[in-house]
Amino acid sequence: QITLKESGPALVKPTQTLTLTCIVSGFSLSTNGVRVGWIRQPPGKALEWLALISWDDDKRYSPSLKTKLTITQDTSKNQVVLTVTNVDPVDTATYYCAHRPSGYDSPFDYWGPGILVTVSS
Amino acid sequence: SYVLTQPPSVSVAPGKTARIICGGNNIGSKSVHWYQQRPGQAPVLVIYHDRDRPSGIPERFSGSNSGNPATLTISRVEVGDEADYYCQVWDRTSDLYVFGSGTKVTVL
Repeated sequence: QITLKESGPALVKPTQTLTLTCIVSGFSLSTNGVRVGWIRQPPGKALEWLALISWDDDKRYSPSLKTKLTITQDTSKNQVVLTVTNVDPVDTATYYCAHRPSGYDSPFDYWGPGILVTVSS
Repeated sequence: SYVLTQPPSVSVAPGKTARIICGGNNIGSKSVHWYQQRPGQAPVLVIYHDRDRPSGIPERFSGSNSGNPATLTISRVEVGDEADYYCQVWDRTSDLYVFGSGTKVTVL
């Protein structure tokens, strides 16, 4: 079955770079049409889509955060990595990675449990 | 950028019907997905492509999108349905993904 799991630091200091890793299983990142996205949720607030990477290495970013985000994948390690540069306390959130299957306009059908990241000095 | 609007909260008695709306410009031309998020848990897909249910989701959950707004309907509401619900679309014009502001469903 499809599973995803996020890992990374629980606490980072302002101005540092945050690196989050999503380990996936039950599917291949190189399967035609497959995509993995990152979504975050500040405490008590709504979900916010951040970035998405496709099987062919195509990448999409939220326009409001484009300059801070980089998404990459290592298909041999079944992992997707998101980096967030120059973090600020407003970047405090639970970060989720999610699987988007092939197919036109498909949803995020499987999600990782999420990782809470706090930005504080 | 594309915006999805949801009411902050909906209250419903057990056994009754809850309707959660999701508004957006020309939303009827888009495919709407709905997610349930219980406290402290990751979101779970409950409706995709406006009205389809993933396996394991009860038939009590249904969706429609024949115009503005799109609607998630929960029939015969149970205490376990108490959660936040989010709508989501893919804006094909910009190739970006948008989530609604979320609706908290409280079972009285």
